[in-house]
Amino acid sequence: GAVVSQHPSRVICKSGTSVKIECRSLDFQATTMFWYRQFPKQSLMLMATSNEGSKATYEQGVEKDKFLINHASLTLSTLTVTSAHPEDSSFYICSARSGQGINNEQFFGPGTRLTVL
Amino acid sequence: AQTVTQSQPEMSVQEAETVTLSCTYDTSESDYYLFWYKQPPSRQMILVIRQEAYKQQNATENRFSVNFQKAAKSFSLKISDSQLGDAAMYFCAHVGRSQGNLIFGKGTKLSVKP
Repeated sequence: GAVVSQHPSRVICKSGTSVKIECRSLDFQATTMFWYRQFPKQSLMLMATSNEGSKATYEQGVEKDKFLINHASLTLSTLTVTSAHPEDSSFYICSARSGQGINNEQFFGPGTRLTVL
Repeated sequence: AQTVTQSQPEMSVQEAETVTLSCTYDTSESDYYLFWYKQPPSRQMILVIRQEAYKQQNATENRFSVNFQKAAKSFSLKISDSQLGDAAMYFCAHVGRSQGNLIFGKGTKLSVKP
């Protein structure tokens, strides 16, 4: 299957700082990328969907000014957590799909564990 | 709105035995796909099996098979000859043509006893 990478795999930052997480599709062009958040022992919650070259579509309750998503190329999307606070500590997972059609498989990155002190 | 319900928070199976994980869903869409994903302790999401709603035949992938009951909106996963490496969280998921995003259930934690 196709490979999606995330960097960094884990990050610890101080409260009030910003953190950027990168998501790359290594061997395919990702027309659509998704960002999920997963709290311990819980399911994946979709934060936003982004199509290459377009603004991201955020799910209800997700602050777009806090979680900045950029999908500038067909192989790279970034999530920036601005002015991070301890409650933003979580596991963030990206996934990528080669087309907008739902018949195209979504491939998941390995996730990024964010800890805000 | 689409919803996915997994009513079994935890399941346990003896190695080499068979286990069935339950999943029900609700959707207003006629064109959709259903999935089972595995999330081991590494937390990497792995696609186990997928089912197109328009196909009546149940999907199978080696030791994994589904029982897709479209009228009942049920999509259970059967794991045969369970192995220690099958121990993980299993998430049932749905994606509809109109919505376009995966909707996940809350997951079932599967333990495999040697």
